Amino acid sequence: GAVVSQHPSRVICKSGTSVKIECRSLDFQATTMFWYRQFPKQSLMLMATSNEGSKATYEQGVEKDKFLINHASLTLSTLTVTSAHPEDSSFYICSALPSPSLWDKNQNANTGELFFGEGSRLTVL
Amino acid sequence: QKEVEQNSGPLSVPEGAIASLNCTYSDRGSQSFFWYRQYSGKSPELIMFIYSNGDKEDGRFTAQLNKASQYVSLLIRDSQPSDSATYLCAVKRGSTLGRLYFGRGTQLTVWP
Repeated sequence: GAVVSQHPSRVICKSGTSVKIECRSLDFQATTMFWYRQFPKQSLMLMATSNEGSKATYEQGVEKDKFLINHASLTLSTLTVTSAHPEDSSFYICSALPSPSLWDKNQNANTGELFFGEGSRLTVL
Repeated sequence: QKEVEQNSGPLSVPEGAIASLNCTYSDRGSQSFFWYRQYSGKSPELIMFIYSNGDKEDGRFTAQLNKASQYVSLLIRDSQPSDSATYLCAVKRGSTLGRLYFGRGTQLTVWP
């Protein structure tokens, strides 16, 4: 199956520093990736849609200047949490949508099936 | 009203029983519906998707969709202890493929 890798899996940083999280699709190309945040016992909250070669689309209430997203290639999207504060501590998960040309011919192209990374747990001290 | 609502549980069933998980959504324009399973501290993994009214079966899992009632469910037959996890209902909205909104999840425990 398709594999999405996130790095780092865990990161601890001091308040005020910036942290970069990488999301890579290892065996497929993804023009679209998504970033989620999940607090303990809460749902995955969609933060933004990352589009290769263009600006990310942020969900309402998500600060684009605080959560910088770059999708410079078809296999890599990065999320940078700038000037992190303790309230930014969370589990950040990315997902990737395989580009249509690489979908299995038996798949329904409209399902929008996603492949998730393993998640990155950020702790801000 | 939240986009996607689920009973957070916990839901506890004995091994071999049927587990029934429910989900409602607020936007009638929602198009596709997904069930993911998430183990603690791990990322979600897809169990099933459904986009037509009715039932869809895959092994021990059956997804049911009723768009008129804005309701989607997941049945797990012959539940196993390994099925113990949090089950997330997700709904696709808008034209962007993969843009999903998740419910809070229902925690399922299957006891031997």
